[in-house]
Amino acid sequence: QKEVEQDPGPLSVPEGAIVSLNCTYSNSAFQYFMWYRQYSRKGPELLMYTYSSGNKEDGRFTAQVDKSSKYISLFIRDSQPSDSATYLCAMSQTYYNTDKLIFGTGTRLQVFP
Amino acid sequence: DAGITQSPRHKVTETGTPVTLRCHQTENHRYMYWYRQDPGHGLRLIHYSYGVKDTDKGEVSDGYSVSRSKTEDFLLTLESATSSQTSVYFCAIEQNGNTIYFGEGSWLTVV
Repeated sequence: QKEVEQDPGPLSVPEGAIVSLNCTYSNSAFQYFMWYRQYSRKGPELLMYTYSSGNKEDGRFTAQVDKSSKYISLFIRDSQPSDSATYLCAMSQTYYNTDKLIFGTGTRLQVFP
Repeated sequence: DAGITQSPRHKVTETGTPVTLRCHQTENHRYMYWYRQDPGHGLRLIHYSYGVKDTDKGEVSDGYSVSRSKTEDFLLTLESATSSQTSVYFCAIEQNGNTIYFGEGSWLTVV
């Protein structure tokens, strides 16, 4: 079993829909959680960063962490065709050990007009 | 933009030949990383560096070596390329304590 699991998709939604992207993990020691967005043939770019449990909002994006369920989510409101990309979750146990960052395999999202 | 440049961006090489990928950064970051990305496996760390001449292995280091003789350059070498090393390679730097930022990627095909 992988430490971090992500549904590969593709997830196809109409423009304006609310999108929910999710990751589950097995290591209860993870405390730092990130979401990256990766456009086709580009490098991943950091989208959201959260620590421990709770919600964090940035514009149309909300990151949610539920440590009791070992489950994190990224919500995209009013989705746009420009949101079409692969979304990767990543997580780590400690603040400075970026060599121990674990990535999910990514969920491909398609937003059609 | 984290000021990362990867070269070459695309390369086709033959099995058994040596290949070197270069990562160049302009912002004096201490930590640099090489990842590979494959379908079904996601991003996996190959090697990383925490300073000039200071490097360490990641999850999938077999068949790869690295060097960092200057702060700004981190080189990834495949001593004798194999078809299993066909992949997309991303260089990354650490910024703001524990978040990493990626370059644009180098697409390597070993035939």
